[in-house]
Amino acid sequence: NAGVMQNPRHLVRRRGQEARLRCSPMKGHSHVYWYRQLPEEGLKFMVYLQKENIIDESGMPKERFSAEFPKEGPSILRIQQVVRGDSAAYFCASSPTGRDSPLHFGNGTRLTVT
Amino acid sequence: GIQVEQSPPDLILQEGANSTLRCNFSDSVNNLQWFHQNPWGQLINLFYIPSGTKQNGRLSATTVATERYSLLYISSSQTTDSGVYFCAAHTGTASKLTFGTGTRLQVTL
Repeated sequence: NAGVMQNPRHLVRRRGQEARLRCSPMKGHSHVYWYRQLPEEGLKFMVYLQKENIIDESGMPKERFSAEFPKEGPSILRIQQVVRGDSAAYFCASSPTGRDSPLHFGNGTRLTVT
Repeated sequence: GIQVEQSPPDLILQEGANSTLRCNFSDSVNNLQWFHQNPWGQLINLFYIPSGTKQNGRLSATTVATERYSLLYISSSQTTDSGVYFCAAHTGTASKLTFGTGTRLQVTL
C-alpha cells in the first residue's frame, strides 16, 4: 500500500510565477490536509479537504492560495504570484475518516522562491 | 483555538539513555497524535493516542486526557531517534490537527 505521494519534491519558482503542488493520498483515504513548515518551525495548518469539498480553509491566506481535491486525481495546492515569503516546505497528509484516525504525511514539497 | 505546548524544546542524550517528552494542551481533546520528523524532513506517525497507554518497541506514549497532557517515552535511545518530535491534537468540533512547537532530540554516541 503506497504511502502519501507528493510531487515535486523540490520546486524552484521566480517571484511572480505560479506554483502547483500535488498530493495523492493513501489508497482508501478521502481526507486530505495541507500544512506549511518554515525552517526550524512547527507545522501550520492550511486547509482540510474531502473529495470535491473544502471543509476548513481557515489557515490559508485569503489571496493567492487555493486548494482543490477533485473527484478524480490528486489534491492540488496552488500558489499564484509567489513571493519570497512563500518559500517553505509544504506537507500533505491523509486519513481514512478525518479527525478520528491517524494522519499520514507525504515527504513534502520544498518550495524555493528566488 | 487549542494551545499545544511541548517540553523540553531541546534535548541531547547519549546513546542508550532514556527520556520523557511532554505535551500539554489547553483544552479537552478528541485525538492526540505523536510524530517524529527525521533529519531528512520525513514525518512519521508514532502514535494515535487520545487516551491511555500504547507501546511500540522502545517507544511508548501515555495520554491523560482529564489532566490535559501526554507523555512520550523513549528507552535505550539510538542515534536514529534523532530529529524533532511533535505532538498534535484535535479538540471539540475543530477539523484541523494543531501541532506543538516540537522537541528537538539529538542522540550522540
